[in-house]
Amino acid sequence: SQQGEEDPQALSIQEGENATMNCSYKTSINNLQWYRQNSGRGLVHLILIRSNEREKHSGRLRVTLDTSKKSSSLLITASRAADTASYFCATDVRGSSYKLIFGSGTRLLVRP
Amino acid sequence: SQTIHQWPATLVQPVGSPLSLECTVEGTSNPNLYWYRQAAGRGLQLLFYSVGIGQISSEVPQNLSASRPQDRQFILSSKKLLLSDSGFYLCAWSAGTSSYNEQFFGPGTRLTVL
Repeated sequence: SQQGEEDPQALSIQEGENATMNCSYKTSINNLQWYRQNSGRGLVHLILIRSNEREKHSGRLRVTLDTSKKSSSLLITASRAADTASYFCATDVRGSSYKLIFGSGTRLLVRP
Repeated sequence: SQTIHQWPATLVQPVGSPLSLECTVEGTSNPNLYWYRQAAGRGLQLLFYSVGIGQISSEVPQNLSASRPQDRQFILSSKKLLLSDSGFYLCAWSAGTSSYNEQFFGPGTRLTVL
């Protein structure tokens, strides 16, 4: 089963609005990452948050992590049409330095 | 800077035919290498990963195999394709020395098995 599950599966907003996506996971983690995928393309790494961090910012991105609830959120502020993409969370696997487990993603549509 | 290449970009193959997808990484040494498959509208399924030449770990028993003949080359193969092998195949690398396993993806290969 998937370690990370994103919610909602799809999100449609107007340009300029904020977009919030959530990720829940099941087991203890060392870190959680968010990736972006444009249609038909490879994934692009956006941001990594360590298990001892609660919040992290990168440009218009804000990521939070609540290890007690085993959940994370990705907030994109002042969205643009170019932000239209699928967004995936990925968690590491305790005991393995190499593996990531990806969720099924949130498809974001930003309407101009 | 590091770059990752995958080819071909698209492939249409008949059932029962062989498969060879290639991935190469430039600008780094001793990377960890990964093959993922993505079904339409879904997340990524890890198929294989490699931490060194000739070292392959398989995650899902299936009709596919992987090889790493050189440090920065990763190949995904099949002797006989099945309809269920259709999908979007992504190669990725991460720094062997990284503690956090941030992965960097290639552009992908869209495989259609008819």
